[in-house]
Amino acid sequence: GESVGLHLPTLSVQEGDNSIINCAYSNSASDYFIWYKQESGKGPQFIIDIRSNMDKRQGQRVTVLLNKTVKHLSLQIAATQPGDSAVYFCAENKAAGNKLTFGGGTRVLVKP
Amino acid sequence: EPEVTQTPSHQVTQMGQEVILRCVPISNHLYFYWYRQILGQKVEFLVSFYNNEISEKSEIFDDQFSVERPDGSNFTLKIRSTKLEDSAMYFCATQIQGNTEAFFGQGTRLTVV
Repeated sequence: GESVGLHLPTLSVQEGDNSIINCAYSNSASDYFIWYKQESGKGPQFIIDIRSNMDKRQGQRVTVLLNKTVKHLSLQIAATQPGDSAVYFCAENKAAGNKLTFGGGTRVLVKP
Repeated sequence: EPEVTQTPSHQVTQMGQEVILRCVPISNHLYFYWYRQILGQKVEFLVSFYNNEISEKSEIFDDQFSVERPDGSNFTLKIRSTKLEDSAMYFCATQIQGNTEAFFGQGTRLTVV
């Protein structure tokens, strides 16, 4: 069953340090794995995606790593800034244009 | 930058009443979705809509829910007879064909009392 609760895992990170957010997924048939950022009072915002046939993809200050052997996805944020404070969700979908299945979120708090 | 617009931002309704949540998608997007997020929980898929029909729906999307695109621009979610457990943030999302990036609106906070 799904875990339900009001408390999200929280990652506290010093401004300027690197952040690593982890996610375990269950559906091996997913074609895409995506990271979304949700700031307070806003909708999820796309950060970066990775296709299932890749193991690493880099964006601006972000890197996504995919380990299909252990069904693990991570998001690395370099030089974390106060504006990075948000809840981060991993998501998966079977193909472009299909629904997103979201995982549980991780709250990132950036300390000045 | 183009954005998905949702109205209202907050809706309070009495249990048993009908509500309609509205979304204006980004103009050249072809895939439309509704998701909901109960406070403190993850985002859950409700329904996807493509080519003027439902392409997929979740278990949550029962007979009390319906979607339509009445005028070719607005995309609406109707809940016929609201229940307390329908209280949540409802997000509209749209995608351009062939692209994985879904653009989410700011959400409508629905409170059923």
